[in-house]
This record gives sequence, C-alpha cells and structure tokens, in this order.
Amino acid sequence: DQQVKQNSPSLSVQEGRISILNCDYTNSMFDYFLWYKKYPAEGPTFLISISSIKDKNEDGRFTVFLNKSAKHLSLHIVPSQPGDSAVYFCAASGSKTSYDKVIFGPGTSLSVIP
Amino acid sequence: DSGVTQTPKHLITATGQRVTLRCSPRSGDLSVYWYQQSLDQGLQFLIQYYNGEERAKGNILERFSAQQFPDLHSELNLSSLELGDSALYFCASSVGVAGNEQFFGPGTRLTVL
Repeated sequence: DQQVKQNSPSLSVQEGRISILNCDYTNSMFDYFLWYKKYPAEGPTFLISISSIKDKNEDGRFTVFLNKSAKHLSLHIVPSQPGDSAVYFCAASGSKTSYDKVIFGPGTSLSVIP
Repeated sequence: DSGVTQTPKHLITATGQRVTLRCSPRSGDLSVYWYQQSLDQGLQFLIQYYNGEERAKGNILERFSAQQFPDLHSELNLSSLELGDSALYFCASSVGVAGNEQFFGPGTRLTVL
C-alpha cells in the first residue's frame, strides 16, 4: 500500500518554463512533507520542505504547495534549467520534531530540454 | 558532498552469500537510516538507529540486520542473498531522531549473481 504517490514517472519541460511535479498521499496523519532531488550515481539531496500548518513554502526558484484537504502537494520550479534534470522524490512524515519515519514516493524523472 | 560516506561503492556476489555494507554519518549526526532502492522503485525504508539504539523498522527482511556502533558508524548485514536483493542501498543521517532533512550517502550498488 503506497502511502505517498507520484503518478507521473517522468516529465519533460522546456528550459525557462515552469516544471510542476505532483505528489499525493493517503495518510491524513502526515504532518511534514519534503522534496528530495537525485542525480544519477548520487544519493538524494534535500531540496525543500513544508509543514502542514502552511500551504506554501518558497526557496528561490523552488516553491512547494500543500493542499491538505486534497492530500496533495506540488513542487514548482521556475524557471526550469537543464541542471534541474534529475529524479524528484516526494516524502512525508508524521512530525517535524518528534520521531516518525519518512515515507518516500517512487519519484518523478524530470528532463529539462535546452 | 553530503558528508555521509558509504563503502563499498559496488559489490558483486553470489546467491547464498553474506555481505556487509558500511556507513559513516555526517559529523554530529546521531541518527542513521538505511534504504533500499530496487530498479524503478522508490526508496524503501529499512531501519533507523539513533545513538546506538534501534528506533524504527521498515520493510526489512529477517535475513537483513543492522547495528550502530559507539562511534556512530553503522553496518547493514545482508545474508543468504537472493537475486532479488540486487539494489542500491543508501545510508542517510540526521542530527536528531525526527528523521527529517536527511543527508544521504552515495549508495552501495549490490549485484547478486
């Protein structure tokens, strides 16, 4: 039973345009959400996070939106750059401050075309 | 460079064998996590240790075990290996026990022939 879903295995976007990566979750107890980026032959790296008390968090070209009622979050990258080509993992946990394991989605492979 | 190191980078072995994967967390991080990523799969959480104690278990097979040593490095032991155990194994670390914003190592690619 996949608690964190990323229904698009891959996405292609033109350089300079917006990339939108989507993520859905089923467990309403999830309280904290994260995005990780992974290049080939490297481990994932933390990108951005959002707590359930917020509906938006921005960091430079990256913005994460959270819709708790729909159990949906999205990562927007504007403008997209070729260096953004990577696999993006959505992840969720029950808490930011106390222990709870992090559940990762299957990932979306983003290709930014020059 | 995340500061998390994993050895070896690649490991090729035969079915039925036993291997040990090693992880050194970032300096100051007390939590270590192990993940398995099979072909076209996401990251499957295996197990977490915090300051030497097991804190959480995920989908870890009984043939697999792990430990965290007093110097905080961790080892993942995989025994009676099967073809299906071929995967990338990642170690991650974090400062506290919460598990958020983990720092990942480069992974160990295990191939079972």
